Amino acid sequence: SQTIHQWPATLVQPVGSPLSLECTVEGTSNPNLYWYRQAAGRGLQLLFYSVGIGQISSEVPQNLSASRPQDRQFILSSKKLLLSDSGFYLCAWSKTDSNNEKLFFGSGTQLSVL
Amino acid sequence: AQSVSQHNHHVILSEAASLELGCNYSYGGTVNLFWYVQYPGQHLQLLLKYFSGDPLVKGIKGFEAEFIKSKFSFNLRKPSVQWSDTAEYFCAVNVWTDKLIFGTGTRLQVFP
Repeated sequence: SQTIHQWPATLVQPVGSPLSLECTVEGTSNPNLYWYRQAAGRGLQLLFYSVGIGQISSEVPQNLSASRPQDRQFILSSKKLLLSDSGFYLCAWSKTDSNNEKLFFGSGTQLSVL
Repeated sequence: AQSVSQHNHHVILSEAASLELGCNYSYGGTVNLFWYVQYPGQHLQLLLKYFSGDPLVKGIKGFEAEFIKSKFSFNLRKPSVQWSDTAEYFCAVNVWTDKLIFGTGTRLQVFP
């Protein structure tokens, strides 16, 4: 069966420090991968999505970047965190070989930038 | 631990039928509640949300949801579905942090 792992679960970082959040999927190949963010009680915002290795689409201009070095690995990064980067980050994946693009979510990372 | 349950995994309706998708959560404190929709070939989008106030919330495209605190429920409803409502529907709960907990989703298929 497929599983998705996201870590760390919580993270407290000072302003200006770098960031690296990792997400891996097991039990499937060539998944679509997504990074979402929820900030301050608002709805989810799609940050990045990837349909394959090295293929990243950015939905919102921001201080963050994403990379997909391997088929089932998706990394969210920042060189210098801002206060406004605080929030809840959620990784998700979906299958590419069916008409049902149902999303499967990781457990999320609560990021606090101080 | 907090959790969200969507008991209907797959719902099949004819156009003009009424819809109700169940969502129950387990958390005793204050919650924010969301319904998200993912149309075929598109990304998640917010359908409606409840933070406080009137427990009957109206969203886009004729959808509404009712927060019943005593039942820990936030069911999604639409009086008359259309073929274009075919999608995956996710219920989500936001507890005292920003953490979002999603249900497993309900696939709705509407046939003309």
